[in-house]
Amino acid sequence: AQSVTQLGSHVSVSEGALVLLRCNYSSSVPPYLFWYVQYPNQGLQLLLKYTTGATLVKGINGFEAEFKKSETSFHLTKPSAHMSDAAEYFCAVSQRGTGGGNKLTFGTGTQLKVEL
Amino acid sequence: DGGITQSPKYLFRKEGQNVTLSCEQNLNHDAMYWYRQDPGQGLRLIYYSQIVNDFQKGDIAEGYSVSREKKESFPLTVTSAQKNPTAFYLCASSMSGAGAYDEQYFGPGTRLTVT
Repeated sequence: AQSVTQLGSHVSVSEGALVLLRCNYSSSVPPYLFWYVQYPNQGLQLLLKYTTGATLVKGINGFEAEFKKSETSFHLTKPSAHMSDAAEYFCAVSQRGTGGGNKLTFGTGTQLKVEL
Repeated sequence: DGGITQSPKYLFRKEGQNVTLSCEQNLNHDAMYWYRQDPGQGLRLIYYSQIVNDFQKGDIAEGYSVSREKKESFPLTVTSAQKNPTAFYLCASSMSGAGAYDEQYFGPGTRLTVT
C-alpha cells in the first residue's frame, strides 16, 4: 500500500521568504507524485507532477519540487513567497486502480500562511 | 471552456434523506472520481470509474452509490446509511485512467450539510 506524509499541518512564512513544504511517500513501485493547491472553498489545482526523467520538476506560479528516491521525498519549494500563495497544499502519490483508473493517495495537507 | 462542473455549491439536507450530487465534465475524459474532504484528513476516495457503465469502490464507499450511464456524467448519491455525511465533496476526472501518471482535474466542490 502506498502512503504520503506531509510534515507540518501549518507553515507560516514572511512575504519574500523561501517556502518549503515537506512530503515523504511510501510506495512499493516507482511512484508518480503530484502537488496540488487548494484555495478556500474551491477544488484542487495541479501545481506540478513527477513521472519519470528529470528529478527537479518545475510547476506553475514559481513552484518546483525535487524527487529524491534515496530519501523517499518530494518537497515543494518556492524561492520567494507572495501573499497570493496562501492556500492549502496537498502532496499525492498515484497507483493503478484494480478496475483501471489511477488512484491518488493524498497527504493530509499543509496550510501555508504568508505574513507581511 | 472545458472543465468540470459540480452543482449545487452548497446543499442542505435533513438526516435520513438521500441526496444526489451532480458532476459533469466536458473534457472528454474517460475516468472520473469522487472524493470526500474533511478538515485535517486530506481527500479520501469514495468511488471511481474508468469507463461508462463500470465503477469501482474506493476507500470509503459505504453509504454512497454512483452511476456512470454517460461518459460526461458521474452523479454521487449520499444515502441515509452514511453515518457522517456532512463534508466537502470533490469530483475529478482524468484522461484515460490507463496510466497512473495522468493528472486528475478537479471540480469546484459541493459542501453538503446534513442536520
